[in-house]
Amino acid sequence: KNQVEQSPQSLIILEGKNCTLQCNYTVSPFSNLRWYKQDTGRGPVSLTIMTFSENTKSNGRYTATLDADTKQSSLHITASQLSDSASYICVVRYGNNRLAFGKGNQVVVIP
Amino acid sequence: NAGVTQTPKFQVLKTGQSMTLQCAQDMNHEYMSWYRQDPGMGLRLIHYSVGAGITDQGEVPNGYNVSRSTTEDFPLRLLSAAPSQTSVYFCASSYRSAGLDTEAFFGQGTRLTVV
Repeated sequence: KNQVEQSPQSLIILEGKNCTLQCNYTVSPFSNLRWYKQDTGRGPVSLTIMTFSENTKSNGRYTATLDADTKQSSLHITASQLSDSASYICVVRYGNNRLAFGKGNQVVVIP
Repeated sequence: NAGVTQTPKFQVLKTGQSMTLQCAQDMNHEYMSWYRQDPGMGLRLIHYSVGAGITDQGEVPNGYNVSRSTTEDFPLRLLSAAPSQTSVYFCASSYRSAGLDTEAFFGQGTRLTVV
């Protein structure tokens, strides 16, 4: 079983609409959780970092939440734009500087 | 500031051939790593290094070798390419720290096809 599960695997949304991506993890001890955006043909780029004590953090139209008790995180995209079409990867840092990767949420924004 | 630079961007190999994927970073990061990304799967760690002269195996090390002679460079060698090694390879670097904010910076990727 994958240590980081993301859902939905893929989704298509209309430009201007909102969407929420989910990440559930099982690894421990938890250090931090990052959401990365990966455009097609590019390397992942960090969007936000969540530490144990943080519940919500925003980066422009991206808002990440973390519930460390239930080991769940979400990434909310507000007023989606065509440039938001990408894969969003949830990465959990745990233990001795180890990383666990989700398979990603593939988002397609259509006009 | 170039960040993490990978070369080549694309490569086609014949089965049995060997090659080296190059990775260089200019951020003075101690920690460097190689991942492969396959369709429907998350990034999987191949090898990593916590500093010059130190390397260790990740989740899927078979068929790959690495070395770390300098802080800046971390090449990945395919000894005898196999079709199963067809993938997109990413190099990443970060500060080696027990602290919380050790963001991994990724290169642009190398798309390798083994025929």
